[in-house]
Amino acid sequence: AQSVTQLGSHVSVSEGALVLLRCNYSSSVPPYLFWYVQYPNQGLQLLLKYTSAATLVKGINGFEAEFKKSETSFHLTKPSAHMSDAAEYFCAVSAITGGFKTIFGAGTRLFVKA
Amino acid sequence: EAQVTQNPRYLITVTGKKLTVTCSQNMNHEYMSWYRQDPGLGLRQIYYSMNVEVTDKGDVPEGYKVSRKEKRNFPLILESPSPNQTSLYFCASRPQTGGIDTQYFGPGTRLTVL
Repeated sequence: AQSVTQLGSHVSVSEGALVLLRCNYSSSVPPYLFWYVQYPNQGLQLLLKYTSAATLVKGINGFEAEFKKSETSFHLTKPSAHMSDAAEYFCAVSAITGGFKTIFGAGTRLFVKA
Repeated sequence: EAQVTQNPRYLITVTGKKLTVTCSQNMNHEYMSWYRQDPGLGLRQIYYSMNVEVTDKGDVPEGYKVSRKEKRNFPLILESPSPNQTSLYFCASRPQTGGIDTQYFGPGTRLTVL
């Protein structure tokens, strides 16, 4: 079975600083990995996804994530935080052994300070 | 516009009073799913459907029912709601082409059971 662990339920950064949100996964077969963002009072929307092509994946709004098999990680980064990045971020995994069911992490709430 | 709609967005009810949350998508997606979101737990799947008349339990199905009589609609039914079903509910859909596909989420339904 697949699982996802997001380290840190809350992360606070200053505007213009690096954003790093951590995600580690567990899967016995090659996984598909996703990052979703949830703005207040909205549903989730896809930021980016890894589907076994390039290990460095670029998404919307300047975010990117790198798949590291040796570390079973898929951390999300953005070089310079903007106030509009304040939201909750979810890492998710799916794989063929789970019938492609998507398993979500507990989420990390990002705060951006002026 | 491609979208997943849910109704109602907010609902306050009392224990034992049957309710239905509707979900509709206009993207001709085969796969639809219901999640509940609780603080610190992320999103947990309640039920999913791989096509019309094909439904199956997710991770937390107790106390819920679903039906899929038409491709576009996937209502969530709480026959006898209880306070522990107070949560934020999301409907999602995606094409049935495997785990690489993005899920599209509705705006959420915030349910309070008194």
